[in-house]
Amino acid sequence: DAGVIQSPRHEVTEMGQEVTLRCKPISGHDYLFWYRQTMMRGLELLIYFNNNVPIDDSGMPEDRFSAKMPNASFSTLKIQPSEPRDSAVYFCASRWEGAVADTQYFGPGTRLTVL
Amino acid sequence: QKEVEQNSGPLSVPEGAIASLNCTYSDRGSQSFFWYRQYSGKSPELIMSIYSNGDKEDGRFTAQLNKASQYVSLLIRDSQPSDSATYLCAVGPGATNKLIFGTGTLLAVQP
Repeated sequence: DAGVIQSPRHEVTEMGQEVTLRCKPISGHDYLFWYRQTMMRGLELLIYFNNNVPIDDSGMPEDRFSAKMPNASFSTLKIQPSEPRDSAVYFCASRWEGAVADTQYFGPGTRLTVL
Repeated sequence: QKEVEQNSGPLSVPEGAIASLNCTYSDRGSQSFFWYRQYSGKSPELIMSIYSNGDKEDGRFTAQLNKASQYVSLLIRDSQPSDSATYLCAVGPGATNKLIFGTGTLLAVQP
């Protein structure tokens, strides 16, 4: 299995620009999670989906952030407009309902730098 | 109070020694407990999970859980320089029904 796939791996953009991060979960997994990791705040859950439906988006920092999962094999996290404080590593993770509770598998991450 | 607390370290141990990493959590309803290893610039990798009180051993790794004290630990025996990484404690699902991560402990194994 290819594991969780994320793109791009690195993104550098200017303040005010729109940023779209992409994730392909492991085939057969029915939960998908978006996390953000910074030195100051550690690994924070932004939003998670179950069977393509958003379940909890309470971690989304503000309206500039949005996430979609149009099908079981693809999800996007969009930031519009981006700000320097959004600079972080964004991870996507997935898991299977039938697996041991909450065993999540992480993608390689997208390192976002907003100038 | 943070939901999952870890000492940020760095924890420095000599090669061959036992490294002991600790984690406390606030949600008494938590049912599952995990240790992830994260090398610099890489993604978290699951190394241990534990669900009931006591010890669970896997190779050089032992996870210990004490739900009464809301405490979970990871012991690494015969530490190797390749064990040098940040170790993240994760807890769930409790009342929040989400996996909550600590900020991690940086382990440095000195050759």
